[in-house]
Amino acid sequence: EAQLVQSGAEVKKPGATVKISCKVSGYLFTDFFIHWVRQAPGKGLEWMGLLDPEDGETIYAASFQGRVSIAADTSTSTAYMELGSLRFEDTAIYYCARISRRRLRLGSFDFWGQGTLLAVSA
Amino acid sequence: DIQMTQSPPSLSASVGDRVTISCQASQDIRKYLNWYQQKPGQAPKVLIYGASTLESGVPSRFSGSGSGTDFTLTISSLQPEDIGTYYCQQYDDLPLTFGPGTTVDIK
Repeated sequence: EAQLVQSGAEVKKPGATVKISCKVSGYLFTDFFIHWVRQAPGKGLEWMGLLDPEDGETIYAASFQGRVSIAADTSTSTAYMELGSLRFEDTAIYYCARISRRRLRLGSFDFWGQGTLLAVSA
Repeated sequence: DIQMTQSPPSLSASVGDRVTISCQASQDIRKYLNWYQQKPGQAPKVLIYGASTLESGVPSRFSGSGSGTDFTLTISSLQPEDIGTYYCQQYDDLPLTFGPGTTVDIK
């Protein structure tokens, strides 16, 4: 079965950069698109961007453009999400999630990482 | 961006009740609509994809309907393990967008 395991919780200061990893197993990494979604405390879900691990193509939500970078390391089957110029309002749980159908960019998310809590605090 | 709205924001029902949650898109999204259940401290779990297809392993008391702009998630007989927050999500176009959620608890 597919598994997505994310890196641990982070505490960062405003203006800093965070990099969160998402290591996949149980399937061929390059076969399925990976998306990143975040959830602020007590709030809803917000889509951040997507990654095609096969060729590294990325698409980002406009609200994060210029601050976010998503990349793949196919040698370790790991996706990374880097968010810079952190603000207090970036405090959230960050999830990676897999699209359920092979080689489809969009669809439903069938497997999720466990989430990584990012706290932005002075 | 496609805006998603849900109603009600929360509901409380008895075990065995039929529960209905509505989701509306700001424009036609055909049938590109998913439903997720999220329990506290957990990642969301997909229940329904393509507006009406039940994800493998999901109990048959969950069902989805609708197309275009109006969608419904129905729980035919509410069980204690169904408490949580339910989100709709469109995938007709980027950016992907989610509804604000409907919190379900037991009366």
